[in-house]
Amino acid sequence: QQQVRQSPQSLTVWEGETAILNCSYENSAFDYFPWYQQFPGEGPALLISILSVSNKKEDGRFTIFFNKREKKLSLHIADSQPGDSATYFCAASAEGGSAKLIFGEGTKLTVSS
Amino acid sequence: EAAVTQSPRNKVTVTGGNVTLSCRQTNSHNYMYWYRQDTGHGLRLIHYSYGAGNLQIGDVPDGYKATRTTQEDFFLLLELASPSQTSLYFCASSGQGETEVFFGKGTRLTVV
Repeated sequence: QQQVRQSPQSLTVWEGETAILNCSYENSAFDYFPWYQQFPGEGPALLISILSVSNKKEDGRFTIFFNKREKKLSLHIADSQPGDSATYFCAASAEGGSAKLIFGEGTKLTVSS
Repeated sequence: EAAVTQSPRNKVTVTGGNVTLSCRQTNSHNYMYWYRQDTGHGLRLIHYSYGAGNLQIGDVPDGYKATRTTQEDFFLLLELASPSQTSLYFCASSGQGETEVFFGKGTRLTVV
């Protein structure tokens, strides 16, 4: 069963808009949540991450909002740029770090200019 | 910058064939991983290792063997390849106590 779920599967926004990518999880033991960004022909690369003790993490135009009670988080990409077009994976770990990351299905983001 | 190199980048084999995917990392990382990526499933962990000679079973291990011969090298073995193993395979590494996982560029395997 999919322990980490993402929605939507694909998303198209206009340049300058805020893209919102959603993620939910089932295992209450998960305490580390990274988002990975993947361009075609490349492996995923860490974009931003949050620990379950926080409810918000910002890094430039990228912000994670985390709701522990509802087991949900979202990635907001402000002022989206065509270069942000990629597939984004939400992941989770119960070990406070990188070991045994469980990935979601991914959201393919297209930013149109 | 962390470097994880996979070979080959593309491979086609026949059903029942024997395939070995190779991965080398030059970051002195303890942990290495093999994932498969399929549409609708994201990345799923096949096997991982904490160091040379160590092997841990991941979430989708059936049909796969792995071996960590050195700190740098991690191999994925498909001894009787099946069409269901057609996928994009990623090797990755991370340091002990660190949170970032570094991925290679992937190996696209097709089993016909």
